[in-house]
Amino acid sequence: GAGVSQSPSNKVTEKGKDVELRCDPISGHTALYWYRQSLGQGLEFLIYFQGNSAPDKSGLPSDRFSAERTGGSVSTLTIQRTQQEDSAVYLCASSFEDTNYGYTFGSGTRLTVV
Amino acid sequence: KQEVTQIPAALSVPEGENLVLNCSFTDSAIYNLQWFRQDPGKGLTSLLLIQSSQREQTSGRLNASLDKSSGRSTLYIAASQPGDSATYLCAVLTSGTYKYIFGTGTRLKVLA
Repeated sequence: GAGVSQSPSNKVTEKGKDVELRCDPISGHTALYWYRQSLGQGLEFLIYFQGNSAPDKSGLPSDRFSAERTGGSVSTLTIQRTQQEDSAVYLCASSFEDTNYGYTFGSGTRLTVV
Repeated sequence: KQEVTQIPAALSVPEGENLVLNCSFTDSAIYNLQWFRQDPGKGLTSLLLIQSSQREQTSGRLNASLDKSSGRSTLYIAASQPGDSATYLCAVLTSGTYKYIFGTGTRLKVLA
């Protein structure tokens, strides 16, 4: 597609429920990143996918968080048993394998856990 | 470990003023640096990307400079407009890595 697409744009969920966030990267971009932006905080790296290589999951804050990328394209970030501290904007970015061209971000998913 | 700092955290200026936003980083071995704009409740929009071999990049009223040796970048906005009001984020890609490290941003308000 023309840009990075994220869905849903907003999600309100009850504490303890599971949520799935979706990211559709730019066609031809082999690298995909998930970041989290909590209120008043900077962007926190979560996970990185590059082609068929094993993902870098070093930023995932707990084992309640997981992500997958199917067919080297669409990615899903899953948060199990959501907690109030999971409330944040979840941003997805994609890039060519050579980050010479920088990242392109989606518009994000605002997650609110009540 | 790369750390990125942006000063000031917030800035309020009258319309028409020229202004400079600052970004500093601790590890000068960078691959490139990217400036983003974020409007409230929105994602990040890329403004300018400077490669480590470049000293500046320009786009319209925006000019970004890079001084690797001193670990600094500046974003210059000429003739500011109320539509420039947003948070501006600086992100650094350290050589040998693939993750951008972000500053916490400068929240700019341009008053009409």
